[in-house]
Amino acid sequence: DAKTTQPTSMDCAEGRAANLPCNHSTISGNEYVYWYRQIHSQGPQYIIHGLKNNETNEMASLIITEDRKSSTLILPHATLRDTAVYYCIVRVSDTGRRALTFGSGTRLQVQP
Amino acid sequence: DGGITQSPKYLFRKEGQNVTLSCEQNLNHDAMYWYRQDPGQGLRLIYYSQIVNDFQKGDIAEGYSVSREKKESFPLTVTSAQKNPTAFYLCASSPSSGSTQYFGPGTRLTVL
Repeated sequence: DAKTTQPTSMDCAEGRAANLPCNHSTISGNEYVYWYRQIHSQGPQYIIHGLKNNETNEMASLIITEDRKSSTLILPHATLRDTAVYYCIVRVSDTGRRALTFGSGTRLQVQP
Repeated sequence: DGGITQSPKYLFRKEGQNVTLSCEQNLNHDAMYWYRQDPGQGLRLIYYSQIVNDFQKGDIAEGYSVSREKKESFPLTVTSAQKNPTAFYLCASSPSSGSTQYFGPGTRLTVL
């Protein structure tokens, strides 16, 4: 699976959009970009994933650049409950490699 | 409600004792996983199961055992052979092997 690079920490004001970047310059054509988050002392929560096209669900939007070397997770209206560590993971689906590899992630602090 | 449950949330064990952590899912997922998370660290795969009555070792299986007798259940036993069992244990499931994984709330095991 391709390596990812994320900022160590970010702050965001409550009610504003939180934009979390991820660099994955060595991504292969069949690798998906996944985002999870982990609130302190809880299990990781799946947020969204995509291959090439931008994706949106009830939690967030995922913007993937045309060359697929980077992506941005957007939380449109951040709340205090969005304070968590956010992980960007690149992996191939439906292959022999079944474990998720979580890096160090971005610690997002939403400020009141 | 569909989801993954883990019990108990907190577990204390004396050194030298075996202990079993429960993981149940009602999502009708074929694949299930056990991960271990140490403070400030990423997740490491202990065991995974693609289908009932089948399971494979992950990266750190020594000192652990599992069973998969029912589709919805994947209990993990931490044996006395596990040298550093104190950790946060996470169970996950996915519709099929390699597809999106969803996590339970976790069990925090402390060895006294």
